[in-house]
Amino acid sequence: SQQGEEDPQALSIQEGENATMNCSYKTSINNLQWYRQNSGRGLVHLILIRSNEREKHSGRLRVTLDTSKKSSSLLITASRAADTASYFCAWAEYNFNKFYFGSGTKLNVKP
Amino acid sequence: KAGVTQTPRYLIKTRGQQVTLSCSPISGHRSVSWYQQTPGQGLQFLFEYFSETQRNKGNFPGRFSGRQFSNSRSEMNVSTLELGDSALYLCASSRMGQGTDTQYFGPGTRLTVL
Repeated sequence: SQQGEEDPQALSIQEGENATMNCSYKTSINNLQWYRQNSGRGLVHLILIRSNEREKHSGRLRVTLDTSKKSSSLLITASRAADTASYFCAWAEYNFNKFYFGSGTKLNVKP
Repeated sequence: KAGVTQTPRYLIKTRGQQVTLSCSPISGHRSVSWYQQTPGQGLQFLFEYFSETQRNKGNFPGRFSGRQFSNSRSEMNVSTLELGDSALYLCASSRMGQGTDTQYFGPGTRLTVL
C-alpha cells in the first residue's frame, strides 16, 4: 500500500511463542486500530490506540504506537492455534477524511 | 445485539452488468463504511455514509456509488462491471464514524465478474 506497510508479510510460529507484527504509515493520524481476519471473512476489531497514547493492552495483546516514527506494533503473547489469521493495522487521517489499511501480516500458529 | 449483515453473500455477474450490494448495520450505528478487498490491492476504502450523507470517499471511479437510508441501512452499486471488480466487498458500521470508534464488519459479499 502506498500509504503504509506491515511486516513481516507472513509469520509462522509454534503455539506458546510470542508474535510481533509491525505497521508503518505515512500520514498524521488520530488513532490506529488493529483488526484480525480469518480466511477471507469479515474483520474483527482487536484494539484502538489514540495518537496521544504510547501503549495499550488487551488480554494477550499489547500495542505500541510511536507517532514520531509513524509506526505501531502488535504483540500477541502465548499464541494459540486459534490466533492463526491475517492481522491488519488501520488508521484514520488526522482530519478523518480517509481511512487506510496496512498490507497485513499472515500469522500461522502451529499446534 | 445482531451483528452487521450483508446480502447477498456471493454473486456472479458478467462484464458490463451492474450490481447492488446491501448492508444492514448494528442497531443504533449511524456510520456505514464500505471496503474492497482484493489479493493485489489489499483492503481499500470506498466510502463512508453517516446519517444518510456521504462523509468520506476513497479513490474509486464514479462507477462505484452508494447510499444510506433513514434506517442506516446502506447499499453500494457498481455499474458497468469490469473483471477487476471481482473482490470481497466488506461493510462496517460504527456509532460515530470509521476513524473515531470501533468498526464492526459484516461477513462480506464475494463478487465474481466473468
